[in-house]
Amino acid sequence: GESVGLHLPTLSVQEGDNSIINCAYSNSASDYFIWYKQESGKGPQFIIDIRSNMDKRQGQRVTVLLNKTVKHLSLQIAATQPGDSAVYFCADSSYNYGQNFVFGPGTRLSVLP
Amino acid sequence: DSGVTQTPKHLITATGQRVTLRCSPRSGDLSVYWYQQSLDQGLQFLIQYYNGEERAKGNILERFSAQQFPDLHSELNLSSLELGDSALYFCASSVDGAYTDTQYFGPGTRLTVL
Repeated sequence: GESVGLHLPTLSVQEGDNSIINCAYSNSASDYFIWYKQESGKGPQFIIDIRSNMDKRQGQRVTVLLNKTVKHLSLQIAATQPGDSAVYFCADSSYNYGQNFVFGPGTRLSVLP
Repeated sequence: DSGVTQTPKHLITATGQRVTLRCSPRSGDLSVYWYQQSLDQGLQFLIQYYNGEERAKGNILERFSAQQFPDLHSELNLSSLELGDSALYFCASSVDGAYTDTQYFGPGTRLTVL
């Protein structure tokens, strides 16, 4: 597969443990946030999103937390599985900021057996 | 499988050359986006089209151009290629191009400039 971001921050977790991936954004006007997962050799895949009028949103095994005060976003993955190994990107956008996603640098999640 | 297709999967060319990357969006999606992903710059937005019209422009070089055709497929043209243009190029599509619209990414084209 392709190597993406050889020098990315890496988070290693044991299979079955919970993972927390953090992300900081810079635009205080951003009001929509999204997490993507990118497996080796594939394009980014949507995981979950959240709007700025919420501070928490849950999906299947994933939870996104938003702290607008400190411009921080986190993705929690429950009971991490080997298939969760990938690079995770957060992205933010704003209607007033050009309507385009600004992607973070990504975090590589490595699930240990 | 996201439903977005990109061709070719791999492309190897020389400096100074011109290449064309092709993208077919998901059925029913009207908006197409192009991104460049390099090892040191992450995922960078290049340009967005909606129903054949350019909607937004990001960090796209003047040597690069794109268009979206009436059948909604899109092409990204890269000319006067330089070594630094070597990267993964992704196309994404969404239903109506709104900023809260989920973007579905294709598998990418790996461009290598020698």
